[in-house]
Amino acid sequence: AQSVTQLDSQVPVFEEAPVELRCNYSSSVSVYLFWYVQYPNQGLQLLLKYLSGSTLVESINGFEAEFNKSQTSFHLRKPSVHISDTAEYFCAVIASGDTGRRALTFGSGTRLQVQP
Amino acid sequence: EPEVTQTPSHQVTQMGQEVILRCVPISNHLYFYWYRQILGQKVEFLVSFYNNEISEKSEIFDDQFSVERPDGSNFTLKIRSTKLEDSAMYFCASSWLVRSYNEQFFGPGTRLTVL
Repeated sequence: AQSVTQLDSQVPVFEEAPVELRCNYSSSVSVYLFWYVQYPNQGLQLLLKYLSGSTLVESINGFEAEFNKSQTSFHLRKPSVHISDTAEYFCAVIASGDTGRRALTFGSGTRLQVQP
Repeated sequence: EPEVTQTPSHQVTQMGQEVILRCVPISNHLYFYWYRQILGQKVEFLVSFYNNEISEKSEIFDDQFSVERPDGSNFTLKIRSTKLEDSAMYFCASSWLVRSYNEQFFGPGTRLTVL
């Protein structure tokens, strides 16, 4: 069974500082990896995804994540955060290939708190 | 921009009562999902639904739960006899294609409180 570990439940950081949110997964099969963001009182929104190809993926708002197969990690980074990045961030995994399985397996989430 | 909507935003019920949580997926989507998040815990998959039948379900989705697409636009989750441990945020999601990596669009959630 797949599992996702987000080691940090909360990450406080000052505005314009860099940040890294850690995600490790456990799976015996090839996977697709995702980061979702949840702003207060809103649903989960897809931030970025790794399906195949380049191991570095980027979002439109400056976040990036790098798939590291040997370390089974998919850490999320941003070089300079804004107050508006304050949210809950969820890492998720799904088995790749034609397994018929569509369910996302989520980590427990990391609350990013950007302070002025 | 199309979005998934869910009603109500908050539901309070007594233990043993039946509840129905409602979702309106994005109109041209074909795959529908329910997830839940107990306070302080992970978001957990409950069930997926495609072509008017359950495609996949987790061990959480026991006989107390059922899903339905009653009228071609709504997608509902029914809990037949609620328990205290059913208190959680319930998220509906939908996706367009049936390929496993197609983006799932999530609604804002319904917070269910069982007293």
